[in-house]
Amino acid sequence: EVQLVQSGAEVKKPGESLKISCKGSGYSFPNSWIGWVRQMPGKGLEWMGSIYPDDSDTRYSPSFQGQVTISADKSISTAYLQWSSLKASDTAMYYCARPGIGCNSISCYFLHWGQGTLVTVAS
Amino acid sequence: QSALTQPASVSGSPGQSITISCTGTSSDVGGYNSVSWYQQHPGKAPKLMIYDVSNRPSGVSNRFSGSKSGNTASLTISGLQAEDEADYYCRSYTTSSTVVFGGGTKLTVL
Repeated sequence: EVQLVQSGAEVKKPGESLKISCKGSGYSFPNSWIGWVRQMPGKGLEWMGSIYPDDSDTRYSPSFQGQVTISADKSISTAYLQWSSLKASDTAMYYCARPGIGCNSISCYFLHWGQGTLVTVAS
Repeated sequence: QSALTQPASVSGSPGQSITISCTGTSSDVGGYNSVSWYQQHPGKAPKLMIYDVSNRPSGVSNRFSGSKSGNTASLTISGLQAEDEADYYCRSYTTSSTVVFGGGTKLTVL
């Protein structure tokens, strides 16, 4: 069974750094794109970027390029999303997601989703 | 890149059919068959309902169907049920090798 398990909720202050994680199991982690999706309170889904863990090929939405860093450690089947200096506007739910088995392109739909990580940034 | 355009809300009575549109450009929806649709209930993670324009994942009711014409994709739900009340999002691949979501549509079952 494919599973994506995300790290727990975080409460941070503006200016602090943060790295959240998404651990995959039940499939070949290195050989599948995995994406990150933001959902601000009461708002819609926004694709932030995706990474191919095997070679760390990473694509970012222009809206998030330079604002976050997406990485992966294929040895422990874990993808990461990190911020170097959080802002109050980063308060949101963050989901990781990946395609169905056998669909190995960045264009592929998101079949499997993590449970979400709520990040709250407040002074 | 701009979000794909969806109506903010649609509504229908139980048993009726509704259609949600998703309008993009030739650089996204019109250029690829990589259009997918997601259902999200409050407090839950999104769920894939349609992929590659018109394919249903295993376990998704055949009351859900998808189509595309030009730069506009559509999700149709037939035989509306109370449990269909949720937010729906479309998603497309783009010529920039990126992904874009629609703004979302709130479906109300009257």
